[in-house]
Amino acid sequence: EIQLQESGPGLVKPSQSLSLTCSVTGYTITSGYDWSWIRKFPGNKMEWMGYISYSGSTNYNPSLKSRISITRDTSKNQFFLQLNSVTTEDTATYYCARSTYYGYAYYFDYWGQGVMVTVSS
Amino acid sequence: DIQMTQSPSLLSASVGDRVTLSCKASQNIYKYLNWYQQKLGEAPKLLIYYTNSLQTGIPSRFSGSGSGTDYTLTISSLQPEDVATYFCQQYNSWNTFGAGTKLELK
Repeated sequence: EIQLQESGPGLVKPSQSLSLTCSVTGYTITSGYDWSWIRKFPGNKMEWMGYISYSGSTNYNPSLKSRISITRDTSKNQFFLQLNSVTTEDTATYYCARSTYYGYAYYFDYWGQGVMVTVSS
Repeated sequence: DIQMTQSPSLLSASVGDRVTLSCKASQNIYKYLNWYQQKLGEAPKLLIYYTNSLQTGIPSRFSGSGSGTDYTLTISSLQPEDVATYFCQQYNSWNTFGAGTKLELK
């Protein structure tokens, strides 16, 4: 069974960087698919942040492009999110998810449980 | 950005009711729309992809329809375990989500 698990600090100070890890079990991230980060703000609005593909290429939400980096460690089957220069508006629950695509379909079919991150001094 | 508007934001219904949730896009998304269910404290779960394709393992009481800018998720007979928040997501241009419809029992 494919499982994703986020980890990282729950509290980050404004202007600092937010760093999260997604550990994947049951599937090798270099075998296929895109591996995404998605966040849900207080009030329920969700935002797709970006992904790293199985080949290592990345694609980011244009609204975050100057602040975001998604990388991976294939030896640990993990991928990472780094978001720089955070503000209180980055307070959210952060999810990692697998993106599946074939034909006209594209969807997030496996998700982690999410990790809540608060940006506060 | 394509904006997704879900309505209503809160829906109260009784067990056995037919329930309809709406999702409206700010422009034509050509059926590139998915629906997710999120229960309290859990990860989102994919219900419907590409407007009307039922994800494996999802009960057949869930169905999706729509075209252009207007899309609908229907639960044919509401069950207690369907209490959750439901999100739509378009992928015609990048990925954007609606703000969700919270479904509760009356």
